[in-house]
Amino acid sequence: DIQMTQSPSFLSASVGDRVTITCRASQGISNYLNWYQQKPGEAPNLLIYAASRLQIGVPLRFSGSGSGTDFTLTISSLQPEDFATYYCQQSYSTPFFGQGTKLEIK
Amino acid sequence: QVQLQESGPGLVKPSETLSLTCTVSGGSVSTNNYYWTWIRQPPGKGLEWIGYVYFNGNTNYNSSLESRLTISVDTSKNQFSLRLNSVTAADTAVYYCARDSMVGSINHFDFWGQGTLVTVSS
Repeated sequence: DIQMTQSPSFLSASVGDRVTITCRASQGISNYLNWYQQKPGEAPNLLIYAASRLQIGVPLRFSGSGSGTDFTLTISSLQPEDFATYYCQQSYSTPFFGQGTKLEIK
Repeated sequence: QVQLQESGPGLVKPSETLSLTCTVSGGSVSTNNYYWTWIRQPPGKGLEWIGYVYFNGNTNYNSSLESRLTISVDTSKNQFSLRLNSVTAADTAVYYCARDSMVGSINHFDFWGQGTLVTVSS
């Protein structure tokens, strides 16, 4: 299985900040990488697929980049509704999620 | 807009079988390039892919669960189902059904059910 490691596991930031979350694959996965946002008590919501493609309806402040083993999710200017947990997921082989990054209000 | 809804018992006894059904509306389970998927999340923990079924009945399972797992599809009812045998407390989780869409060659989970908590306890 291809393992996914996110960093950091916890992140404190303020409204308006630019934040970046990193995801590293245990082996190369080309651009087979997706990002999800999950709020407490809700199902995950797809933000980015194929490493950099914004899902329909997702705000433009979200962006993704990377290829191979290293990927990033960037939120350009944090909004109050962005405080949540974010997961990366590889779809190169058997689907596997990262452990999550909890984004909290500073 | 595609919607998915899980249903089934919220409490299962150890060693028994966990059974859940996902009803799909606003779309058909018989559409090409969609893989109907189960994912679970233990309380306070991360997401684990369980497996999927295609409309023709083909399946792919998480190897760690494969010996206990059956996922099936009923195209006449636009539903798909999960059966997990010989459950233990470690199977306690929120279980989500989801649609895995293939765009180009990239798969991603674009629609999810709201999730249902299944507790394994006597």
